Amino acid sequence: AQSVTQPDIHITVSEGASLELRCNYSYGATPYLFWYVQSPGQGLQLLLKYFSGDTLVQGIKGFEAEFKRSQSSFNLRKPSVHWSDAAEYFCAVGAGAAGNKLTFGGGTRVLVKP
Amino acid sequence: GAVVSQHPSRVICKSGTSVKIECRSLDFQATTMFWYRQFPKQSLMLMATSNEGSKATYEQGVEKDKFLINHASLTLSTLTVTSAHPEDSSFYICSARDGNYNEQFFGPGTRLTVL
Repeated sequence: AQSVTQPDIHITVSEGASLELRCNYSYGATPYLFWYVQSPGQGLQLLLKYFSGDTLVQGIKGFEAEFKRSQSSFNLRKPSVHWSDAAEYFCAVGAGAAGNKLTFGGGTRVLVKP
Repeated sequence: GAVVSQHPSRVICKSGTSVKIECRSLDFQATTMFWYRQFPKQSLMLMATSNEGSKATYEQGVEKDKFLINHASLTLSTLTVTSAHPEDSSFYICSARDGNYNEQFFGPGTRLTVL
C-alpha cells in the first residue's frame, strides 16, 4: 500500500524568503504525485502534479516541485513567499486509474511572518 | 477551473439522527466522486469511491451501512451519516473527477458536529 510522509508539521517563513516543503512517498510502481493547498473555508486546490516526463514540475502560484525517484521524494518549493501563501499544504500519491485514488500526507502548515 | 460545491457547509445534529451531505459538480460531469474525512489538524482519509449508477467502493475500515453513499447522477453524490454519534464529528470533503482533465476537484467541505 502506498503512503506519504510530510516530516514537517509546521514551518514558519518570513515573507519574501524561500520555502521548501518535504514529501516522501512509498509506492510500488511509478507514482502519480500531487501537491494541494488548503485554505480555511476553501476546498483543496491543486498546485501541481507529476505523472511522467520532466522531473521538475511547474505549478500555479509560483510553486515548483522536483521528483527524485532515488530519494522517493517530491519536495515543493517557492523562491519567494507571499503572505497569502499561509495555508496547509498536502502532498499526495495517487494509485489506480490515472492515479485517482489519493493517499495524503499529514500536511504541513505554513505560517508567513511579515 | 471546475467547481465542486458541498451542502451544507456546517451541520449540528443530535446523537442518533441521520445527516445527508450533498456534493455537486457545478460545471462538469463527474463519473467518479470521492468522499474523504478529515480530523482536526490531520490529513484527509479516503472513505469511499462513488461511481455514477453503481455501488460505492468503501475503504477498509469504513462501515458502508454507517456511511451511505449514493451517486444518482453525473453531477450529484450524497453521503448520509446514519445514526450519527459524537465520534462521527469531523470534516467531510468530497471531490469529483473531471474526465476531460483527468483531475479531481475538491469541494469546500462540510463540518459535522454531533452532540
